[in-house]
Amino acid sequence: NAGVTQTPKFRVLKTGQSMTLLCAQDMNHEYMYWYRQDPGMGLRLIHYSVGEGTTAKGEVPDGYNVSRLKKQNFLLGLESAAPSQTSVYFCASTPKYKLYEQYFGPGTRLTVT
Amino acid sequence: SQQGEEDPQALSIQEGENATMNCSYKTSINNLQWYRQNSGRGLVHLILIRSNEREKHSGRLRVTLDTSKKSSSLLITASRAADTASYFCATVPSLTGGGNKLTFGTGTQLKVEL
Repeated sequence: NAGVTQTPKFRVLKTGQSMTLLCAQDMNHEYMYWYRQDPGMGLRLIHYSVGEGTTAKGEVPDGYNVSRLKKQNFLLGLESAAPSQTSVYFCASTPKYKLYEQYFGPGTRLTVT
Repeated sequence: SQQGEEDPQALSIQEGENATMNCSYKTSINNLQWYRQNSGRGLVHLILIRSNEREKHSGRLRVTLDTSKKSSSLLITASRAADTASYFCATVPSLTGGGNKLTFGTGTQLKVEL
């Protein structure tokens, strides 16, 4: 199993550009999450999903949108990137039967200039 | 807002020594977890302790939880260079509102020198 994978690994955007980050998991997990990690801070939850077709806001959702059209994929979109969105983005998943332990992807480093 | 605050922010020890890091949190919790993050990588789950537990062991890891003080500690015994990483505590509040959402602390950077 590949576990949780994220695409792309690195990206540089100009202010105002848009992009989509892809998270995929092959563990048949029900729950998926998007976090951002900034220097000196822990991870902060952006959006999450408890199942296919459902999404919910986390702690810092502004400026981001998400979609969960397939159980194995969770997409994070930035419609109009801002320098404040420069960060490392992590995706995670967890199975419904083993709540609490989350499995993380390797991260996407995004720079907005 | 961050639920957990970790102390110290950075810790440097010699191989073979024990490393202790602490986590404080603000609200009632269902459980507390510790994760490790190697440089440039994703987080890896280490251990979970439930609110009705006081101590838990896993290999060289020992976690304690004091719900009256809203604090936890992670002890790594006989540290190795490979333990060099950042360590984060994460809490699941008693009232989660669904989704099993974790709230992470700010992390402790551990460096184990040969």
